[in-house]
Amino acid sequence: GAVVSQHPSWVICKSGTSVKIECRSLDFQATTMFWYRQFPKQSLMLMATSNEGSKATYEQGVEKDKFLINHASLTLSTLTVTSAHPEDSSFYICSARDPPTGVGNTEAFFGQGTRLTVV
Amino acid sequence: AQKITQTQPGMFVQEKEAVTLDCTYDTSDPSYGLFWYKQPSSGEMIFLIYQGSYDQQNATEGRYSLNFQKARKSANLVISASQLGDSAMYFCAMREATGFQKLVFGTGTRLLVSP
Repeated sequence: GAVVSQHPSWVICKSGTSVKIECRSLDFQATTMFWYRQFPKQSLMLMATSNEGSKATYEQGVEKDKFLINHASLTLSTLTVTSAHPEDSSFYICSARDPPTGVGNTEAFFGQGTRLTVV
Repeated sequence: AQKITQTQPGMFVQEKEAVTLDCTYDTSDPSYGLFWYKQPSSGEMIFLIYQGSYDQQNATEGRYSLNFQKARKSANLVISASQLGDSAMYFCAMREATGFQKLVFGTGTRLLVSP
């Protein structure tokens, strides 16, 4: 199946700094990627939909200026957590579909996830 | 709005036994897709099985089968012959047919398989 690579797998940063997480589709083009956040023992909550060449669509309650998403190419989307604080510590995971449209039997492929710890 | 409900926070099963993980959903769209994912402690999301809203037959993938009851809006996952490696979190998810076709996840069920 298709491969989505996410980097880094874990990161520790100081409070107030920014952290960039990359999500790459390795063997297919992803016009749309999704970014999720998962707190310990909780479900995946969609943060935003990343669209190649246009602005991301954020879910209600997600701060656009806090979580910057850039989808500059068909194979790369980045999530930057700006001015990170301890409450931003979480597991962030991206996904993409191949092919990108249709409700049919095309599962979303997920990256490996990034465990962010802000100290 | 779409909603996925998993009412079992945790389930225990003995090795080699079958187990059913419950999932109910709510949507006003006639076209949708239902998915089950497995998430081991490493965090990766592993696709298990898919059921389309118009599929007449229940989906099966190896030891996994999906008990799809459209009128009841349920899509339970059945794992047959459980293995120790099946211990993980299991998430039911639904994909909407419109817009970005994003996945909406349930709260998950933690399955523990004992020897």
